[in-house]
Amino acid sequence: NAGVTQTPKFQVLKTGQSMTLQCAQDMNHEYMSWYRQDPGMGLRLIHYSVGAGITDQGEVPNGYNVSRSTTEDFPLRLLSAAPSQTSVYFCASSYRRTSGGEEQFFGPGTRLTVL
Amino acid sequence: KQEVTQIPAALSVPEGENLVLNCSFTDSAIYNLQWFRQDPGKGLTSLLLIQSSQREQTSGRLNASLDKSSGRSTLYIAASQPGDSATYLCAVKAGANSKLTFGKGITLSVRP
Repeated sequence: NAGVTQTPKFQVLKTGQSMTLQCAQDMNHEYMSWYRQDPGMGLRLIHYSVGAGITDQGEVPNGYNVSRSTTEDFPLRLLSAAPSQTSVYFCASSYRRTSGGEEQFFGPGTRLTVL
Repeated sequence: KQEVTQIPAALSVPEGENLVLNCSFTDSAIYNLQWFRQDPGKGLTSLLLIQSSQREQTSGRLNASLDKSSGRSTLYIAASQPGDSATYLCAVKAGANSKLTFGKGITLSVRP
């Protein structure tokens, strides 16, 4: 299994540009999430999905859109990039164990710089 | 609102030492607690998951404990090695349909 994969690994954008961060998982997990990690702020949830066709907002959703047309893919779209969106973005997937608890697995991250 | 705290923010120990990393949370009604490791420039790697009904979990040299009544979890690392140098994060899930709340992590440096 490749686990959770993300592309690209690095990206530089100019203010106002749009782009899509790709995320895919091959573990057949129901749940997928997007986080951003900033120094001193920790990990913050942007959007999440509990299954194909179902998405919801996290703590910091403004400026981002998501969709989940398949179980495997959960792309994150930046509508009009701003310098405040400079961050490291992580995609995660999770499943609920039959014995209880939900274990989350992370991708390698995308480092985004907005000039 | 659940808050997760990890103190200290950084720790440096000599190789071979047994060490304990602490994680505290404000709301004792949790679904599960998960410990992660993050190497510089990398993603998070899941180390251990403790369900609400459990008191501890073990994997190799790692042992994580959970005390809901006091709002604490500890990650015990036995016989530390330089390869253990990384940032360790704990995260708490308050309920089955709740989000994961992360601490800010403890950056561990193991000196040869």
